Amino acid sequence: NAGVTQTPKFRVLKTGQSMTLLCAQDMNHEYMYWYRQDPGMGLRLIHYSVGEGTTAKGEVPDGYNVSRLKKQNFLLGLESAAPSQTSVYFCASSWTGGKGEAFFGQGTRLTVV
Amino acid sequence: GQQVMQIPQYQHVQEGEDFTTYCNSSTTLSNIQWYKQRPGGHPVFLIQLVKSGEVKKQKRLTFQFGEAKKNSSLHITATQTTDVGTYFCANSGGSNYKLTFGKGTLLTVNP
Repeated sequence: NAGVTQTPKFRVLKTGQSMTLLCAQDMNHEYMYWYRQDPGMGLRLIHYSVGEGTTAKGEVPDGYNVSRLKKQNFLLGLESAAPSQTSVYFCASSWTGGKGEAFFGQGTRLTVV
Repeated sequence: GQQVMQIPQYQHVQEGEDFTTYCNSSTTLSNIQWYKQRPGGHPVFLIQLVKSGEVKKQKRLTFQFGEAKKNSSLHITATQTTDVGTYFCANSGGSNYKLTFGKGTLLTVNP
């Protein structure tokens, strides 16, 4: 049972490049989340999904897009990367949204130069 | 989710000392969750509190939810080096869908 798997684990991008982060969960969870973590800022919610085919904006959605075409996958896209998007990105999934335990992936460390 | 303030931001203790971190809100919280993140790791769920005045224990960890459901605390008795990490509180606010995190308290333990 893999839980929540994120790929890639590390990536370096040049300013203006695009990329997609993949999150896959094998727990049949409805709710999935993308967070970014920066020093001293905690975990900030970028986008989330309450089920297949749905997405919604979180606290810091600008510069990111997401898709949930399959229940088990939640993709985070950066169309034109900026240095301000250098961060550690975590995906999480949950049975019951904000009312229950969230399971996190191992994280993706992204550097934009 | 509703904004929660965590204090302190950092705490350094000697091994064997106690440690407490606090999570405060200006509004009533429907629930509070606590997570631990080891250095270089990912957040791991510890516990959820939902009732006014609730107290839960996990070995040396004691979690409390305030009577007014506006604050919560995590207390570690006799810290060990394995307790090192960042402790986050989180809550769902009124949305039921989102999970919003505080900024965390980084605990370091001197052996």
